[in-house]
Amino acid sequence: DAKTTQPPSMDCAEGRAANLPCNHSTISGNEYVYWYRQIHSQGPQYIIHGLKNNETNEMASLIITEDRKSSTLILPHATLRDTAVYYCIVRVANAGGTSYGKLTFGQGTILTVHP
Amino acid sequence: EPEVTQTPSHQVTQMGQEVILRCVPISNHLYFYWYRQILGQKVEFLVSFYNNEISEKSEIFDDQFSVERPDGSNFTLKIRSTKLEDSAMYFCASSEALRQGKNIQYFGAGTRLSVL
Repeated sequence: DAKTTQPPSMDCAEGRAANLPCNHSTISGNEYVYWYRQIHSQGPQYIIHGLKNNETNEMASLIITEDRKSSTLILPHATLRDTAVYYCIVRVANAGGTSYGKLTFGQGTILTVHP
Repeated sequence: EPEVTQTPSHQVTQMGQEVILRCVPISNHLYFYWYRQILGQKVEFLVSFYNNEISEKSEIFDDQFSVERPDGSNFTLKIRSTKLEDSAMYFCASSEALRQGKNIQYFGAGTRLSVL
């Protein structure tokens, strides 16, 4: 799986959008970008994933650049409960769209949302 | 909302003892995983399990570790003879399938293992 690079920490004011960047310059055509977060040593929580189109769900939006070498996770209105470590993970899928099991976590970005 | 359940939340054991960590995956899920996280370090993959056999394991998952699905609901991780360095949070995860849209892994809250 391709390597990802994230800033070690970021701050965000409550109510503002949090934009978390991720570089995955060696990503290949069959690799998806996944985002998880971990709140205070709880189990990792799935947020969103995408291949090349931008994606949005009830938690966040994922913007993937056209060359797919980087992406940004957007939490549109951050709250104090969004304070967590955010992981960007690249995961291979075969031609049939099957992704093989393991998730490879890096150090992630510690997002601190302050009042 | 369905969730992955892990018990116990905290397990304390003496070095050299056997421990079994238990997980109840989401009911219609077919793929099961164990990860661990040593305090202050990354979440690390240990093993994946499907159709009653291991499908992938990491170099951490040596002969001291084993996994089992003893019945239709439980998924267990056994450490035969615990070492101090086995102290960590152990997370169980499950996914419905491997194809896109069904391969999201959902994690339990974890079991904190403390080896004294």
